[in-house]
Amino acid sequence: KNEVEQSPQNLTAQEGEFITINCSYSVGISALHWLQQHPGGGIVSLFMLSSGKKKHGRLIATINIQEKHSSLHITASHPRDSAVYICAVNSNTGNQFYFGTGTSLTVIP
Amino acid sequence: DAGVIQSPRHEVTEMGQEVTLRCKPISGHDYLFWYRQTMMRGLELLIYFNNNVPIDDSGMPEDRFSAKMPNASFSTLKIQPSEPRDSAVYFCASSLGVAGVRETQYFGPGTRLLVL
Repeated sequence: KNEVEQSPQNLTAQEGEFITINCSYSVGISALHWLQQHPGGGIVSLFMLSSGKKKHGRLIATINIQEKHSSLHITASHPRDSAVYICAVNSNTGNQFYFGTGTSLTVIP
Repeated sequence: DAGVIQSPRHEVTEMGQEVTLRCKPISGHDYLFWYRQTMMRGLELLIYFNNNVPIDDSGMPEDRFSAKMPNASFSTLKIQPSEPRDSAVYFCASSLGVAGVRETQYFGPGTRLLVL
C-alpha cells in the first residue's frame, strides 16, 4: 500500500476549466509538498504546507490534517499548466519522505 | 543565484562502469537531497544531508550507491559498479532549512542516466 495516493492519475481539461487534484496520505506528517514536473522534466516546488490553505496566482493548495487529505486547485487553467503534479509528505516520525505517483494534467486550448 | 546546478545533464555508460553525478546547491542552503525518478517507481528520496552531514540514507538502494558532501557547495552521488536498472533521472535539490526538512525544496534540472 502506498503511503500517498493521488487522484486522478490522468486528467484532460479544456482551457479555462477549474481543476482539482487530490492527495490522500496514511502517515502522520509534518509537512506536505506539491511539486510540478514540466514535460521537459524539470521539477518545481509549488507549495509546502502543514495546515490551512495557500494561494499563488491561479494555484490554491489546501490541507485537512484530520482527514489526511490535500487538494491542489488550478483556476482558469491554461495549456502551460500541462504537467505532472506530484504530492509528497514529510512524515513526522523518522524524517521519511513519501511520494505520490503523480497526476498527469493536459490542458487543451 | 543560478539555482541548483547538476552535472552532467546526460550520461550514457556501460554496465560495470563507475558513474559520478555532481550537484552544487543554492548558496546558503543547509539541506541537500538526492532523488531518483523512474517510470516504474516514480520519485524516490535516496539520501539527504544537513550541513554536509548525511542524515538519512535509508533510500539508498544498495551498497553500490554512495553519496558525499565534502563541503557546503558540492555533493556527489556515485554508483559503482553501475547496472542497467540504475537507468533513471537523478535529481538534486536544496533547501534553506530554517524549519528543517519542512522547507521548500529547489530542484536541479536532473541528470538523465542510461546504463547499457
